[in-house]
Amino acid sequence: AQTVTQSQPEMSVQEAETVTLSCTYDTSENNYYLFWYKQPPSRQMILVIRQEAYKQQNATENRFSVNFQKAAKSFSLKISDSQLGDTAMYFCAPAPSGSRLTFGEGTQLTVNP
Amino acid sequence: KAGVTQTPRYLIKTRGQQVTLSCSPISGHRSVSWYQQTPGQGLQFLFEYFSETQRNKGNFPGRFSGRQFSNSRSEMNVSTLELGDSALYLCASRTNTGELFFGEGSRLTVL
Repeated sequence: AQTVTQSQPEMSVQEAETVTLSCTYDTSENNYYLFWYKQPPSRQMILVIRQEAYKQQNATENRFSVNFQKAAKSFSLKISDSQLGDTAMYFCAPAPSGSRLTFGEGTQLTVNP
Repeated sequence: KAGVTQTPRYLIKTRGQQVTLSCSPISGHRSVSWYQQTPGQGLQFLFEYFSETQRNKGNFPGRFSGRQFSNSRSEMNVSTLELGDSALYLCASRTNTGELFFGEGSRLTVL
């Protein structure tokens, strides 16, 4: 069974600043994907970024990037130049072979003007 | 491309009733997964269907069931509803490279 820990229930950041959300997980799988999803007040889950565990290079997607440390089973999300629209609940989710996701408890991020 | 469509968006039922939720995946996606989201338990995996076959199942009682049709549309059913079944039920369709795209969810309230 997989476990996912997001140790920061809430975080806040000023607009235009950078923030890092942490995530650690436990899995016995060797090949898996890792995802960050955001859930704004509209409640729709939106894919932020994806990382394949076999890739050493950290994924980036515009202002979003990850720091993936496979040995440490750590998968943090960095948001640069934070925008008000980034305010949302963020979920870390590993997935063996891209199948079922195990979600963490989430980090509520608030971007302040 | 149209996104994942879930119906109904909101519904209210009473204990003991049953409910059926529908999900139409993104065109071309053959995998559909269902998740339950509650304040107490967070997001939990219910089941996944691929080409009309249940490929994976979460740890939920038999009152929760699902199926997938030949056009990849999926339904999930909850029988003998309990108060604790009140939740946001999310459906997602999956690409060949593993990304899940979620619908807006069906919010079920059990009274």
